[in-house]
Amino acid sequence: GQQVMQIPQYQHVQEGEDFTTYCNSSTTLSNIQWYKQRPGGHPVFLIQLVKSGEVKKQKRLTFQFGEAKKNSSLHITATQTTDVGTYFCAGGSQGNLIFGKGTKLSVKP
Amino acid sequence: EPEVTQTPSHQVTQMGQEVILRCVPISNHLYFYWYRQILGQKVEFLVSFYNNEISEKSEIFDDQFSVERPDGSNFTLKIRSTKLEDSAMYFCASSRRIADVPYEQYFGPGTRLTVT
Repeated sequence: GQQVMQIPQYQHVQEGEDFTTYCNSSTTLSNIQWYKQRPGGHPVFLIQLVKSGEVKKQKRLTFQFGEAKKNSSLHITATQTTDVGTYFCAGGSQGNLIFGKGTKLSVKP
Repeated sequence: EPEVTQTPSHQVTQMGQEVILRCVPISNHLYFYWYRQILGQKVEFLVSFYNNEISEKSEIFDDQFSVERPDGSNFTLKIRSTKLEDSAMYFCASSRRIADVPYEQYFGPGTRLTVT
């Protein structure tokens, strides 16, 4: 079945450093969504990418969807302590989402 | 801002017992989902529900699981005979959807199920 792989599993950064998480699917996706889950919280939607090669920005966050629609990345510039949490990509090929394992980001002040 | 609500927040049950987890999706949403997340692991899709029937389910969603929309607002997940490995956080989510492009899913706060 469809698999969505995400790396790295953990990332520890110093506040102010950049952070990137990568997502790869075994199949072509119709869309990819990114969610953030704070410790003890529930997943919160960040963004959805639909078009091949699409790039979207939200303040310090940059999201990319690969040309082949099989991979995606999330890049955070100049991390802050408020960025702490687990970032999940979720790929859809038939409407339902398959989540990656997530990248847990910790930020040292 | 509208939100998905779930009750109870924490459910403790003995192995073999039946549990029902309840969710109230956002009122104008048409698609409803259940996910589970074992502690420290990824979010796993269980089932999606649209127009009063299951539209997709995962391998995890076996005969022990069932979903129901008993009225116009609630969406429930029933586990008939709980096992130790059913212990997890269960998230309900809902979304709008137009054509084949899914919209973002709004997650509820979750129900932590502990099977002893």
